Amino acid sequence: AQSVTQLDSHVSVSEGTPVLLRCNYSSSYSPSLFWYVQHPNKGLQLLLKYTSAATLVKGINGFEAEFKKSETSFHLTKPSAHMSDAAEYFCVVSSSGYSTLTFGKGTMLLVSP
Amino acid sequence: KAGVTQTPRYLIKTRGQQVTLSCSPISGHRSVSWYQQTPGQGLQFLFEYFSETQRNKGNFPGRFSGRQFSNSRSEMNVSTLELGDSALYLCASSTSGGGRVDTQYFGPGTRLTVL
Repeated sequence: AQSVTQLDSHVSVSEGTPVLLRCNYSSSYSPSLFWYVQHPNKGLQLLLKYTSAATLVKGINGFEAEFKKSETSFHLTKPSAHMSDAAEYFCVVSSSGYSTLTFGKGTMLLVSP
Repeated sequence: KAGVTQTPRYLIKTRGQQVTLSCSPISGHRSVSWYQQTPGQGLQFLFEYFSETQRNKGNFPGRFSGRQFSNSRSEMNVSTLELGDSALYLCASSTSGGGRVDTQYFGPGTRLTVL
């Protein structure tokens, strides 16, 4: 079985300040982990993915995430928030050998000027 | 390459009716997955098709069904619609062969409203 917990339903930051979106996972097998972003009335866009290579993963638009097996975490960070980053972010897990994705409940990122 | 396309983008139906949604995957992708997104339940996996065969299925009633054609295009059908079926239905495609976990690329979704 696999599951994902996103620890914050909403995160508010000011433009230019760092972003931290927290995610913990549970998986019986070696997991693949993803972060997707969803802008209003849009589909999901892949930000980055971890598939057992480097533990620090760099994605698009300046986002990165670090896989920490000991903490079963995969937190998403960005050094400096931009207004266009305001969206809902989903942490996703998929176990090795399976293509089914299990989504977290999502974190809404609010960016104020 | 063109992305995943879904038609129609918006649908309004009444209870008891049935509906068919369509998804065209990225060229060369053979796996198509369907997800339901609602405010209460979030994103939930419906089913996945690979080479015209259903490979995985989520925990949804039998009113939800799907199929995949030889060109990898997929359709999902919901019969006897209920108010609770109102949701954004997302389709995703991937190459997903050989049991590896490949990246899934999502379409814009079909917004279904059941009145």
